[in-house]
Order: sequence, then C-alpha cells, then structure tokens
Amino acid sequence: EAGVTQFPSHSVIEKGQTVTLRCDPISGHDNLYWYRRVMGKEIKFLLHFVKESKQDESGMPNNRFLAERTGGTYSTLKVQPAELEDSGVYFCASSPMGRDIYEQFFGPGTRLTVL
Amino acid sequence: AQTVTQSQPEMSVQEAETVTLSCTYDTSESDYYLFWYKQPPSRQMILVIRQEAYKQQNATENRFSVNFQKAAKSFSLKISDSQLGDAAMYFCAYWSQGAQKLVFGQGTRLTINP
Repeated sequence: EAGVTQFPSHSVIEKGQTVTLRCDPISGHDNLYWYRRVMGKEIKFLLHFVKESKQDESGMPNNRFLAERTGGTYSTLKVQPAELEDSGVYFCASSPMGRDIYEQFFGPGTRLTVL
Repeated sequence: AQTVTQSQPEMSVQEAETVTLSCTYDTSESDYYLFWYKQPPSRQMILVIRQEAYKQQNATENRFSVNFQKAAKSFSLKISDSQLGDAAMYFCAYWSQGAQKLVFGQGTRLTINP
C-alpha cells in the first residue's frame, strides 16, 4: 500500500512568487491534514479536510494560503504571494474515518524556502 | 488550548545505552491520546509509540517504552539499547479528541554516539 506522498520535496522561490504544494493521501483515507514546521519550532496544525470539505482551517496563517481538496482525493496548498516567514517544512497527513482518526500517517514533507 | 513542551532540544547517548526524552503537556480534556513520532534525517515521520489516556499501563514497543504520569501530565520516552538507527528528531504529540487534531512539541534531536 502506498503511503502519503508530497510533491515537490523541495521548493525555493523568491518573495512575492506563488508556490503550490501537493499531497496525495493514502487511498481511502477521508481525513487529510496539513501541518507546518517553521525552523526550530514546533509542528503546527494548519487545516483539516474531511473528504472535500474543510473541517477546520483555524491554523491557516492568513489569506495568502489557500487549500483545496477537489473530489476528496489529493490536496493542494497554494501560497500567494509567498513571504519570507512562510519558509519551513509543510507536512501532510491522512487518517481513516471513525475511531482510528487519530492514527495519522505522514508524508515526507515539502521544504519551502522563500528568498 | 492544549500545549506540548519538550524541554530538551538536543540529546545524545552512547550506542547500546538507555536514553529518556521528556515531554509534558497541558490539557483540560479527560480523553486523549499521546504519541511519540520519529523523523530520521530527510525521511518520513513515523509513529514510534502511542498511549491512550484512559489506560494506566505504560505502552511498550520493543526497545521503546513510555512513562505516562497522567496527574503530572508527563509523557517521557525511554529508548533502551540505543542503536545508530535511532538517531532522529523525536516529536511528542497530543491528540485532542475535541479539536480532532495533533498538537506537537518542539522536538528533540537525538544523536547516537558509536
């Protein structure tokens, strides 16, 4: 069974540019989460999808971040325009519905560097 | 809001010895889960061990065990017989049943000295 995959693994962009990160969850997992780790700090929750619906987006930093999950499969996280403080590692995780929702499987992360 | 604190940014241990990583958390919930995740360099984050708050017995997975002190809100990870492959960043995490999300600590970088 394929795990959670993320693309790209690394992205280096200039301030003001746009970047789109992609996450493919484990097949059949309705829950999809985005987290972010800024250098040296804790991993922080960004948002949670249940299928194609945003269940909780309380962790999204501001309106420069837009997440979508069309069709309830893969998800994208777009940053437009990117700022220096957006640099960090963006993790995606997925989990099944029901009592095992806490059993999150993580992707390898996308390291974003904004210059 | 729940918080998780890992007070040791870095730890090191000699191969084959035992090391304990500390984690404390704060919550008003009675039902929750606690986790230790491991992220090796440039690799995927994987689950090391899980503890259900309602269980008094400490979880154990081979060389990994936890010391769960619910009243003290402490959840430390003990790694016995440390191996070179244990070198990684270790994150303590709390699953909030109410908020349905993970809350992480800052991480502890563990180095294994041969």
